[in-house]
Amino acid sequence: KNEVEQSPQNLTAQEGEFITINCSYSVGISALHWLQQHPGGGIVSLFMLSSGKKKHGRLIATINIQEKHSSLHITASHPRDSAVYICAVELPLGNQFYFGTGTSLTVIP
Amino acid sequence: GAVVSQHPSRVICKSGTSVKIECRSLDFQATTMFWYRQFPKQSLMLMATSNEGSKATYEQGVEKDKFLINHASLTLSTLTVTSAHPEDSSFYICSARARDREKNYGYTFGSGTRLTVV
Repeated sequence: KNEVEQSPQNLTAQEGEFITINCSYSVGISALHWLQQHPGGGIVSLFMLSSGKKKHGRLIATINIQEKHSSLHITASHPRDSAVYICAVELPLGNQFYFGTGTSLTVIP
Repeated sequence: GAVVSQHPSRVICKSGTSVKIECRSLDFQATTMFWYRQFPKQSLMLMATSNEGSKATYEQGVEKDKFLINHASLTLSTLTVTSAHPEDSSFYICSARARDREKNYGYTFGSGTRLTVV
């Protein structure tokens, strides 16, 4: 059983579409991270959430601590958004993470 | 923002040789460095956690004599894959935790190293 479940595993969208990636977790956490992994492998940290909602450009991340669920939204998607998006939860003691297996997003022009 | 420089980005080595991967925090002090391994189509797997000036803590199943981690300063951590074998071929990536968590997202990732052992 995975402590972190992401859906969908794969997602193809047309340019301009609104995209939602979901993350559910089963453990108590201190924070949830959304990461973006590019085809070359490099990883960029997009958001760190402990409650509520954060927005950065066309990206929006929300978290519901009670339901143990988070969503990453991409508005007006663009081909350059094509990447693997990884949800990671940070355990309360710190310095320990569980990672989801990622959602592979392809945005078609 | 905080940047972690990781190199090399790609390395091909012969079986039996050793490979060193470096991660440097460029504009912050990394009190803790994490080393991950990622096989194709799989999630990141934590290999070890190192704190500056102390021995690394390895995850279960990771051979500490094979994967040598050194975190000698607040800006540099190295992972050495000793006597590499083809099954060690993987994507290795580091992540640093800044001394002051509030200054950035708290964790910054390197760009990764693609190791191929032939």
